[in-house]
Amino acid sequence: GAGVSQTPSNKVTEKGKYVELRCDPISGHTALYWYRQSLGQGPEFLIYFQGTGAADDSGLPNDRFFAVRPEGSVSTLKIQRTERGDSAVYLCASSLAGNTEAFFGQGTRLTVV
Amino acid sequence: AQKVTQAQTEISVVEKEDVTLDCVYETRDTTYYLFWYKQPPSGELVFLIRRNSFDEQNEISGRYSWNFQKSTSSFNFTITASQVVDSAVYFCALSEYNTDKLIFGTGTRLQVFP
Repeated sequence: GAGVSQTPSNKVTEKGKYVELRCDPISGHTALYWYRQSLGQGPEFLIYFQGTGAADDSGLPNDRFFAVRPEGSVSTLKIQRTERGDSAVYLCASSLAGNTEAFFGQGTRLTVV
Repeated sequence: AQKVTQAQTEISVVEKEDVTLDCVYETRDTTYYLFWYKQPPSGELVFLIRRNSFDEQNEISGRYSWNFQKSTSSFNFTITASQVVDSAVYFCALSEYNTDKLIFGTGTRLQVFP
């Protein structure tokens, strides 16, 4: 595909459950970002990968959140012991390099009930 | 500290009116980048422009124009002759040279009525 693909588009889970959100970046993009957007707010930075390594994970709210990008392409955001406050749209973006134009996916809407 | 402020929460205009969306930023870095993104109802953020801190030249792209003024730490966005399809939430964002992450404002919802 031409753009950033995120799956699933919607996820409803029960409080306390574990979830995985997947991001397929644009082919060849070495930089990958995860953001979280709550209703009525701007996207909030979570983590940034350059290749396979997390270059900046300062935005992860706590140790329940973890992300991987084992082969430098697809990335998975993992949330353990979900809480109702985790409900938001999780956005993934990729770019050729840092600080250049980032292309965003359509997001995964996570609802914790 | 980095911060982006978009004081206008919502703006409504009638088609063909010009509209300016304000953006004020804070940073201690001398090298940084400013961005504007559009988020239509579909939800996907669409890149509009990227500006580096050393380039204060204003830019025009069709009906869109941007005014970057370092003296007032502002990077305002003007849509000329607005159209209904311009209705969306517009985000201004800042990225510092050594961080690569975008700091977004809270967005301005623009509604263009026919």
